[in-house]
Amino acid sequence: DVKVTQSSRYLVKRTGEKVFLECVQDMDHENMFWYRQDPGLGLRLIYFSYDVKMKEKGDIPEGYSVSREKKERFSLILESASTNQTSMYLCASSLYGQFYNSPLHFGNGTRLTVT
Amino acid sequence: QKEVEQNSGPLSVPEGAIASLNCTYSDRVSQSFFWYRQYSGKSPELIMSIYSNGDKEDGRFTAQLNKASQYVSLLIRDSQPSDSATYLCAVNRREGGGFKTIFGAGTRLFVKA
Repeated sequence: DVKVTQSSRYLVKRTGEKVFLECVQDMDHENMFWYRQDPGLGLRLIYFSYDVKMKEKGDIPEGYSVSREKKERFSLILESASTNQTSMYLCASSLYGQFYNSPLHFGNGTRLTVT
Repeated sequence: QKEVEQNSGPLSVPEGAIASLNCTYSDRVSQSFFWYRQYSGKSPELIMSIYSNGDKEDGRFTAQLNKASQYVSLLIRDSQPSDSATYLCAVNRREGGGFKTIFGAGTRLFVKA
């Protein structure tokens, strides 16, 4: 069974701090994704990666960056955390397909609070 | 216009009834479509995937796709209180060298015992 592990379930950071959210998957999936989920707004894609060292912007990349140095690990970086980045962050992975991706497998999420 | 639109609900149905959830998408070249279920405080989990026009059935769930109308639906037969959750419609779209998955905002479903 696919396992996607996010390093922290709850995180509290101060405004201006640099924040790292880590995600590891154990099924050799090519694709990895970072979403944030807010009430009424659903899941919004921040960044995704379809290969090591490759990254593509999602719909809301501002204020975020990512790193994919190894296939199994995808890190989300908040360069200077702000209160409007308080949210639930979900990592997901899937197999790459020529015509479409396979379904996503999600981690348990990280609830980030920026004070 | 949002890329994937769903009625936010809540949709309330009695136990044993059919729940019908609808979704429209704007990008005509989208190739694959998914329904995820999300319980409160939990991560989304896949219920159904559908790739071609028509119906696809899996147990009490039926997904319907109409690419000409850019419409996807999910029917839940014999609804149970345990089906009470938020249902997320998702669409794959090519972006750069890969595909990204875009979600609707979700429809909350309540099944009353």
